[in-house]
Amino acid sequence: ETGVTQTPRHLVMGMTNKKSLKCEQHLGHNAMYWYKQSAKKPLELMFVYNFKEQTENNSVPSRFSPECPNSSHLFLHLHTLQPEDSALYLCASSQGRGDQETQYFGPGTRLLVL
Amino acid sequence: GQNIDQPTEMTATEGAIVQINCTYQTSGFNGLFWYQQHAGEAPTFLSYNVLDGLEEKGRFSSFLSRSKGYSYLLLKELQMKDSASYLCAVVDSNYQLIWGAGTKLIIKP
Repeated sequence: ETGVTQTPRHLVMGMTNKKSLKCEQHLGHNAMYWYKQSAKKPLELMFVYNFKEQTENNSVPSRFSPECPNSSHLFLHLHTLQPEDSALYLCASSQGRGDQETQYFGPGTRLLVL
Repeated sequence: GQNIDQPTEMTATEGAIVQINCTYQTSGFNGLFWYQQHAGEAPTFLSYNVLDGLEEKGRFSSFLSRSKGYSYLLLKELQMKDSASYLCAVVDSNYQLIWGAGTKLIIKP
């Protein structure tokens, strides 16, 4: 039990669909992150929120749209994705934004874009 | 550019010892993390090193040499449940986490 949950765990969508990924952390943390994990590649940081404010957007295409309504919840809205967007999307949280802070990860959403 | 190198895959025998190496070239250094990730599961924190030397935590130990840009994770008395990917990540001078691609460890009976 990591304290970070993600839904759905698996998602298959067409390129014209719109879907959302949800992340919730029960650890009382202030920073939340979205990562993309592709096979045999390093984790790619996508977005960072600190105290509900987006602090980083690492050149992510606009077809990915994050939303952080409060410090406990984080969403990733998806629309008109491409097959190369198929990957494991991981959410993480940490007490603060400093990268020396240990990050706690959710189990991820396995996304397949057809 | 910034780079983290780890072996892609390693195989070891149950009960044995294995050392997973990580070398890094980053703009500055503010610490190094090791995470464990079982297939289909979340990465989980194993260790954080910021000073040179060996830190032991049960069957797992992590070593850091900042002058050599090198770390290793040492796993002793291997168990089948240790089969997982091990991720190395370095905090650079801008306090950004730079991740390695991970080492898949296969444990054989």
